[in-house]
Amino acid sequence: DQQVKQNSPSLSVQEGRISILNCDYTNSMFDYFLWYKKYPAEGPTFLISISSIKDKNEDGRFTVFLNKSAKHLSLHIVPSQPGDSAVYFCAAQGANNLFFGTGTRLTVIP
Amino acid sequence: EPEVTQTPSHQVTQMGQEVILRCVPISNHLYFYWYRQILGQKVEFLVSFYNNEISEKSEIFDDQFSVERPDGSNFTLKIRSTKLEDSAMYFCASTYMTRAGQPQHFGDGTRLSIL
Repeated sequence: DQQVKQNSPSLSVQEGRISILNCDYTNSMFDYFLWYKKYPAEGPTFLISISSIKDKNEDGRFTVFLNKSAKHLSLHIVPSQPGDSAVYFCAAQGANNLFFGTGTRLTVIP
Repeated sequence: EPEVTQTPSHQVTQMGQEVILRCVPISNHLYFYWYRQILGQKVEFLVSFYNNEISEKSEIFDDQFSVERPDGSNFTLKIRSTKLEDSAMYFCASTYMTRAGQPQHFGDGTRLSIL
């Protein structure tokens, strides 16, 4: 039961360039999507969310894009910084819980 | 900024023993959750709790699991008779309201190791 998928387990990007993390989902009933960042030995930290009625939400260096017809969302980080190196989880909000993807490990190379 | 706190950070238990994982959610939050992450796998939902009762549970949350809010601040997960496959990181989360994109806030987790 993989309702949320992140097909890239890892991504390496040069500092200052754009990082693009991708996520696909299968359930068209999801109405909110969230991105979390996770450092080792810490819990997931909320980053940004988007409602299914929008196609874009921006917060500083972070922008999330939603393509409902393709059931696809992406997180853009620009410019990428070394401190952004972490595992990024895409999540979809169900009635009482979150459905997480498997995560993408982002490494930003100085 | 208020945060969710979990204790202990690491728990080592013999198979078959009972274990209680503790969480203090953010004080004005109303909805509480437990998730787990087996090493190398995704974060999986276990149970949600609201108004002193379980609102939803996954198929992972079988009769060996229980949750309790024994007082106004703590939220606990009990595993009655632990199995090797219960070894995982367990995360507690809380939120003020569900829906409307209100994010769940997570603690730093308890690493449970079953021997």
